[in-house]
Amino acid sequence: GQSLEQPSEVTAVEGAIVQINCTYQTSGFYGLSWYQQHDGGAPTFLSYNALDGLEETGRFSSFLSRSDSYGYLLLQELQMKDSASYFCAVRGRQAGTALIFGKGTTLSVSS
Amino acid sequence: DTGVSQDPRHKITKRGQNVTFRCDPISEHNRLYWYRQTLGQGPEFLTYFQNEAQLEKSRLLSDRFSAERPKGSFSTLEIQRTEQGDSAMYLCASSPPPGRGSSGANVLTFGAGSRLTVL
Repeated sequence: GQSLEQPSEVTAVEGAIVQINCTYQTSGFYGLSWYQQHDGGAPTFLSYNALDGLEETGRFSSFLSRSDSYGYLLLQELQMKDSASYFCAVRGRQAGTALIFGKGTTLSVSS
Repeated sequence: DTGVSQDPRHKITKRGQNVTFRCDPISEHNRLYWYRQTLGQGPEFLTYFQNEAQLEKSRLLSDRFSAERPKGSFSTLEIQRTEQGDSAMYLCASSPPPGRGSSGANVLTFGAGSRLTVL
């Protein structure tokens, strides 16, 4: 099966940098994805790493180390609107199967 | 394209009743997923279709749950004999075929969800 672990809560102030870690266990690995969900909203895709290294998309970056079964989401220049839940997700046993999500990290950004 | 549409947005029912949710995915997306989410938790996978074929069902999915995607377009999720523990947000998502767009099946577009309350 698959399992993912991420911190339940993170707090930070506007303008700061925050890193949300994710460790995973899966039989067969087909990439690590990150999703954002605001209160009352639907999850939305942020980034995807299939290979080791850093992927940068604006203020958000995502990192993967397959040998460590570990990844993180880095959020820079935090804004109040970044307050949300962030989920890491991995694909199932075989390519083509569904994403399995972690329990999520609630990020609270204060002024 | 208007994205992934789900109907109804809210459903309140009494225990023991049957409920059905509908999902209309993005038209070019051949993959459709149903997830369930409760407060403070991540989306929990229920089942997944590729075109009209139901390829995977979660082992957590009881026999009271059934999903269909008869023509490979919209999908329905039916819950029979609802229980209070079924109260949750039911999320539908779709994704494009592999090789199209950004990262294919890893990029899910979710609908706004159907919130079920079982009294």
